[in-house]
Amino acid sequence: DSGVTQTPKHLITATGQRVTLRCSPRSGDLSVYWYQQSLDQGLQFLIQYYNGEERAKGNILERFSAQQFPDLHSELNLSSLELGDSALYFCASSVVSAGLNTGELFFGEGSRLTVL
Amino acid sequence: AQKVTQAQTEISVVEKEDVTLDCVYETRDTTYYLFWYKQPPSGELVFLIRRNSFDEQNEISGRYSWNFQKSTSSFNFTITASQVVDSAVYFCALSEMADKLIFGTGTRLQVFP
Repeated sequence: DSGVTQTPKHLITATGQRVTLRCSPRSGDLSVYWYQQSLDQGLQFLIQYYNGEERAKGNILERFSAQQFPDLHSELNLSSLELGDSALYFCASSVVSAGLNTGELFFGEGSRLTVL
Repeated sequence: AQKVTQAQTEISVVEKEDVTLDCVYETRDTTYYLFWYKQPPSGELVFLIRRNSFDEQNEISGRYSWNFQKSTSSFNFTITASQVVDSAVYFCALSEMADKLIFGTGTRLQVFP
């Protein structure tokens, strides 16, 4: 158990819909990352938050947005869903202190999104 | 720019064979971290090892060993006497300071009894 909790574990929805994925990081971790794993794209970095602020952005579509709340949990919002958004979405957390990332990311079990 | 290349898409071995998974990375930074993660069929990502750029010492942990060579920008992973439970997708990843992980495309290892 990595200590990172993601909900829901599975989600099936239709094209055009909107979903929210939730992540609770490990206790004490200030940094949260979102990754998308699809068959054709591999593990793609989407976005990182550190202590409530956006820190880095990767290949995140404009239809997707995220935020980190004061209690450090994070949500990834996916809207106007398309078939190609079907993927496993991972959340990870890490310890970042004094601007230095120890590097190790602890991953949740992922949220599997299926868009029909 | 950061890049991680895992040229081996899939490897199949028979139990007890040794197998090496290759990883080549690109980075402009002098300070960085390299990782290996395992993704078993159940889907979770399991951390295996972290190595920083200043530590080229090879590491052995049980049946696992890692060979880090800065001269060739490689961080290879060897499983000795493979077992069926080693069947998984293995990802190599690179992180520059205070930054996200960039993953390779993964190598699927199948170990047959």
